[in-house]
This record gives sequence, structure tokens and C-alpha cells, in this order.
Amino acid sequence: EVQLVESGGGLVQPGGSLGLSCAASGFSFSTQSMTWVRQAPGKGLEWVAFISGGSDTTDYAESVKGRFTISRDNSKNMLYLQMNSLRTDDSARYYCAGAIWSANDDYWGQGTPVTVSS
Amino acid sequence: DVVLTQSPLSLPVTLGQSASISCRSRQSLRHSDGNTYLNWFHQRPGQSPRRLIYGVSNRDSGVPDRFSGSGSGTDFTLKISRVEAEDVGVYYCLQGTHWPLTFGGGTKVEIK
Repeated sequence: EVQLVESGGGLVQPGGSLGLSCAASGFSFSTQSMTWVRQAPGKGLEWVAFISGGSDTTDYAESVKGRFTISRDNSKNMLYLQMNSLRTDDSARYYCAGAIWSANDDYWGQGTPVTVSS
Repeated sequence: DVVLTQSPLSLPVTLGQSASISCRSRQSLRHSDGNTYLNWFHQRPGQSPRRLIYGVSNRDSGVPDRFSGSGSGTDFTLKISRVEAEDVGVYYCLQGTHWPLTFGGGTKVEIK
């Protein structure tokens, strides 16, 4: 059974940092490109970041570029999102997902909530 | 960035009737590799999104054949025939032809 389990969300003050993790199981993680997608309360879906299977390629939404860093550890089947200089508009549920744009198998975690507030 | 415009924003439907959701792009979503990277997702209240359709018209495994996708270039449609109660929620289109990836704003389907 495919599982993506996010962790690390919580409450942080503006300007602070937070690191999210996503534990993957049930599929060939190292060969799968992965993404982070977020959803602000009551709002739609927003793509945040992408990383290729071998970590050679990454890409970010303009809104997070220079502040967020996506990474992975294929030896541990783990995906990460390091978020720095957080702003109130970064508050959202953050989903770990697979190659959502492609025809590859569809994988989504349950999401982890991030609240940026003083 | 490619803007995807979904319509309608809200779609009240009667059980057993059909429903159609439009997703329009200002530029063609046909990639130079010949593929069109347009997918449809369904998100039930309180749940994670789930893909229904990939590559415009290919149904994911386990998706009822009541769901169908069509379109080309800049205009795409998701059709739900014989709407059931479990179909409520928000539907999103996503394009992956032109990076960054972009989602449509969503269409909320509810039962009348």
C-alpha cells in the first residue's frame, strides 16, 4: 500500500523557520519525482516545489523561491521542505505528493498544517 | 505563468443528472513532445485531492466510467454523468505543460 505521511507542521511566528518531512512507502521512491502542494484555509491548491528522483532538478513557485528548499533522502525514502522567512500568507496545509502533472501513479499525503502568526 | 480558468465556480446538480466543468487556458497546453499535460483532481471535504483524469482523457484506476475528460489546445472539459452523492466536493484542473505548474481555481459541486 502506498503511503505518504507528512509531519513537522505547527505554529510559527512571522520570519521564523519550519521543516516539513514526508515519509514515503509502498512504491519506488527513488525513481519518482515529488512535489509539495499547499492549500490555504478555504482556498484552492497551489504548487510549491518539485524535485526529481535523483535530486538533480528542483523548481519552486515564485512565491517561495529563495525562502523554501526542497530535498530528499532516497536511502530513507524521505522528502523534506525547509521553510525560512515565513510569512502569514504561507499559512496552509502542506501536502506531499508525487508527479502530479504526469501520467505516473497518483500519490498524496494527508497534509500537515502550518500556521504563521504572531 | 499559465492561468487556468475554471467555470462554473459552483455547480449545484441533481442526483442522477450530468454535470460539466470547463477549464480554459490562455495558451495551448499541447507540449512540444506531443502530449497534453492536463489532469483533473477531486477533493472531498476534509480529504486530500485525488486524481481522476490524466493526459486530458485517461481515467485513473478505480475511477468510475461516469467521469470523462475531453478537450484539446486551450479548452478542456470534465463531465460527470449520473452524478452520485459521493461526487460532491471541489474539482481542480492542473496543467504541467508549462512550468510552473498551475491549478485552476476549482469548481465546487454540490447536490441540490
